[in-house]
Amino acid sequence: GQNIDQPTEMTATEGAIVQINCTYQTSGFNGLFWYQQHAGEAPTFLSYNVLDGLEEKGRFSSFLSRSKGYSYLLLKELQMKDSASYLCAVDPFGNAGKSTFGDGTTLTVKP
Amino acid sequence: DGGITQSPKYLFRKEGQNVTLSCEQNLNHDAMYWYRQDPGQGLRLIYYSQIVNDFQKGDIAEGYSVSREKKESFPLTVTSAQKNPTAFYLCASNSDRGNTGELFFGEGSRLTVL
Repeated sequence: GQNIDQPTEMTATEGAIVQINCTYQTSGFNGLFWYQQHAGEAPTFLSYNVLDGLEEKGRFSSFLSRSKGYSYLLLKELQMKDSASYLCAVDPFGNAGKSTFGDGTTLTVKP
Repeated sequence: DGGITQSPKYLFRKEGQNVTLSCEQNLNHDAMYWYRQDPGQGLRLIYYSQIVNDFQKGDIAEGYSVSREKKESFPLTVTSAQKNPTAFYLCASNSDRGNTGELFFGEGSRLTVL
């Protein structure tokens, strides 16, 4: 079976750093995606981790520990436009379209 | 610009009616997918197609049907057999020739059953 856990909501202040955690228990694991979804819009790709470690991409970084079934998305220098839902998705078979999605973490950035 | 176009963006349906949601992509992607998203929840896979004239059921296919007659098009029909069809429907595509195979999504279709 597949089980993915993320916090439901988080709040942070503009300019701060926030870490969104994702833990997973899946029958297979090929990689882990993070997507950003603004309210009422389509998700957009942020990152994909296959190997353990931290991958940095501008203000956003993503970390993976395969042995612990754990990932996090780190957002630095928060901006108001970062207010969105962040979806963690596990790709168990090497087919991104068959990923199992978590319920998402709604991040609210306050001034 | 390349992308995925879904229509209509908003749709209202009476109980007992079938409706078809359109999804067209010009990204030259082989694989296309339909997801359903309910408030506060993640995406659940309805159907997917990895090649023209072939498609497979996802996790929640009951009450839905699809076709894949052309590479660019993957319409979804929500039938009257779907017990709770009110939801946000997302179409996506990807290419296994890409670096990660990440999904590219359309803008979504919000279906409300009256």
